[in-house]
Amino acid sequence: QSALTQPASVSGSPGQSITISCTGTSSDVGAYYYVSWYQQHPGKAPKLMIYDVSKRPSGVSNRFSGSKSGNTASLTISGLQAEDEADYYCSSYTSSSTLLFGGGTKVTVL
Amino acid sequence: EVQLLESGGGLVQPGGSLRLSCAASGFTFSSYGMTWVRQAPGKGLEWVSTISGSGGNTYTADSVKGRFTISRDNSKNTVYLQMNSLRIEDTAVYFCAKRYGSSWYYSDCWGQGTLVTVSS
Repeated sequence: QSALTQPASVSGSPGQSITISCTGTSSDVGAYYYVSWYQQHPGKAPKLMIYDVSKRPSGVSNRFSGSKSGNTASLTISGLQAEDEADYYCSSYTSSSTLLFGGGTKVTVL
Repeated sequence: EVQLLESGGGLVQPGGSLRLSCAASGFTFSSYGMTWVRQAPGKGLEWVSTISGSGGNTYTADSVKGRFTISRDNSKNTVYLQMNSLRIEDTAVYFCAKRYGSSWYYSDCWGQGTLVTVSS
């Protein structure tokens, strides 16, 4: 299976909002509400930011929100801050009982 | 505090084998599924395999099926990844991660990873 499709990079100024897309197929993103998003700073382990498309684990800022429409999921970061500069990965459960990650998106705070 | 500590990485020749270990502490290990995810140098995350808390259910990516085997020893609070017939493309940092909530598709705590280099 091919990785979910994410833009390679997204950038924004402090305080702005940005959205990262994650496109899959009707066998993964489109079929289930089991989409998650991870944040990874350089040299660090990933951190779970969103699960079940739009839910936030305890401790994750409400500036992070998730949604889904058809085969495409999205992560929105509002009120962009310098600490949000990182790589972001989406993930989805698939009809083959496997897990698929996106290729990753580098977020740059200008 | 939840802690996950991977070990067992290193340099191995193509066709060789390695067994990775992930020692867990700070939570009731047998109650949680565990997952291995890898990341090739400068590349993205790739899910490798997941095992349920009891060890009775496993899920494995097609890219490693038949070569990699996940297992666990709940008496030692440790999850393993046996990697056989290693290929150059298996070179990556391997992370172990703990299940979040009731679904095995999410992981909320991750180790720092162990580097596996497959090269002649």
